[in-house]
Amino acid sequence: NAGVMQNPRHLVRRRGQEARLRCSPMKGHSHVYWYRQLPEEGLKFMVYLQKENIIDESGMPKERFSAEFPKEGPSILRIQQVVRGDSAAYFCASSPPMRNEQFFGPGTRLTVL
Amino acid sequence: ELKVEQNPLFLSMQEGKNYTIYCNYSTTSDRLYWYRQDPGKSLESLFVLLSNGAVKQEGRLMASLDTKARLSTLHITAAVHDLSATYFCAVDVTGAGSYQLTFGKGTKLSVIP
Repeated sequence: NAGVMQNPRHLVRRRGQEARLRCSPMKGHSHVYWYRQLPEEGLKFMVYLQKENIIDESGMPKERFSAEFPKEGPSILRIQQVVRGDSAAYFCASSPPMRNEQFFGPGTRLTVL
Repeated sequence: ELKVEQNPLFLSMQEGKNYTIYCNYSTTSDRLYWYRQDPGKSLESLFVLLSNGAVKQEGRLMASLDTKARLSTLHITAAVHDLSATYFCAVDVTGAGSYQLTFGKGTKLSVIP
């Protein structure tokens, strides 16, 4: 059973470009979470999605950031017009329905030049 | 707003010694997680503590939970170099309807030969 998959693992963008981060949950998991980790910091919650629904986006910045989890395909975290402050590691986690342990993917390390 | 505080944030210890990492949180929760993160890597789940008084042990690590005191501890026995990593505790808020995790800032452990 493959774990949570994220791609790309490393992403370099110039200021003003768009970044798209993808997350495929573990088989059988219908809940996806996105977290951001700044250097030397803990993870900060961004958004919680189920298939075709955003359940909690209380941690998402109000502008430039969006997330989706379509009926088919991976969950996508999209950052428009990236700025240097967006440089961070972005982790996706998945869990089965109900409150259960979250399993983390390997992360995407975004660098904005 | 839920706050999760870990201490110490940095810990340098000699091989063979014992030490405890503390995790305090500010609101009611009956579920606490401990994760390990190696540099540049994802989070590895160590323990899930589900109820007051829960104690779990794996190798040289033992975790406990006191929900009344809102405190969890991660005890390291006879440390070895392989335990060097950053350890995070994380809490989800009981009954909030969203299963987001709130993380502490992490304890960076260095075990010195």
